[in-house]
Amino acid sequence: DAGVTQSPTHLIKTRGQQVTLRCSPKSGHDTVSWYQQALGQGPQFIFQYYEEEERQRGNFPDRFSGHQFPNYSSELNVNALLLGDSALYLCASSLGTTNEKLFFGSGTQLSVL
Amino acid sequence: GENVEQHPSTLSVQEGDSAVIKCTYSDSASNYFPWYKQELGKRPQLIIDIRSNVGEKKDQRIAVTLNKTAKHFSLHITETQPEDSAVYFCAASRITGGGNKLTFGTGTQLKVEL
Repeated sequence: DAGVTQSPTHLIKTRGQQVTLRCSPKSGHDTVSWYQQALGQGPQFIFQYYEEEERQRGNFPDRFSGHQFPNYSSELNVNALLLGDSALYLCASSLGTTNEKLFFGSGTQLSVL
Repeated sequence: GENVEQHPSTLSVQEGDSAVIKCTYSDSASNYFPWYKQELGKRPQLIIDIRSNVGEKKDQRIAVTLNKTAKHFSLHITETQPEDSAVYFCAASRITGGGNKLTFGTGTQLKVEL
């Protein structure tokens, strides 16, 4: 039973560029959430997708956008990268939006130079 | 919005001792409180969680207590072992039909020394 998988594991970009991160949820899960984890901090909620729609959003600018596909996988897009966007980006999946238990992937480490 | 504070930021205990990590939350409507363990370079893993209608929950050496009146909850680890060394995060959420958004604390680095 595959868990939550994310790609790529590491990524280096320069300021102003755009990046796309990918996530496949745990088998049987239909809801995907994205979190940003800065070094030494707890994860911060970016947004949650269910039925291919953004259901909730955290305090992140419009430069952060996402998408969910019919197979429940998801993408996180970040435009006009800033140095402060350097972080570990975690994807978490669950079954339904009211299911409590989130299962996290290992994340994508993004470095913006 | 919700704000979660977590203490201490670092905790060092001797193997076999108990460890306690405390969190407070601000939103009285929060109804779900999970704890995650994150080892270096690895994914956060759910170790125990509690709903607001329960005051205490135990799973082997791990227990969580919740005081809704004071808006705080704690993680208790007994008989600590070296493999318990990791960063522990508490979180709070108000689960609604619209989704489950976790607000995390800043983490506690637990070190279990031999």
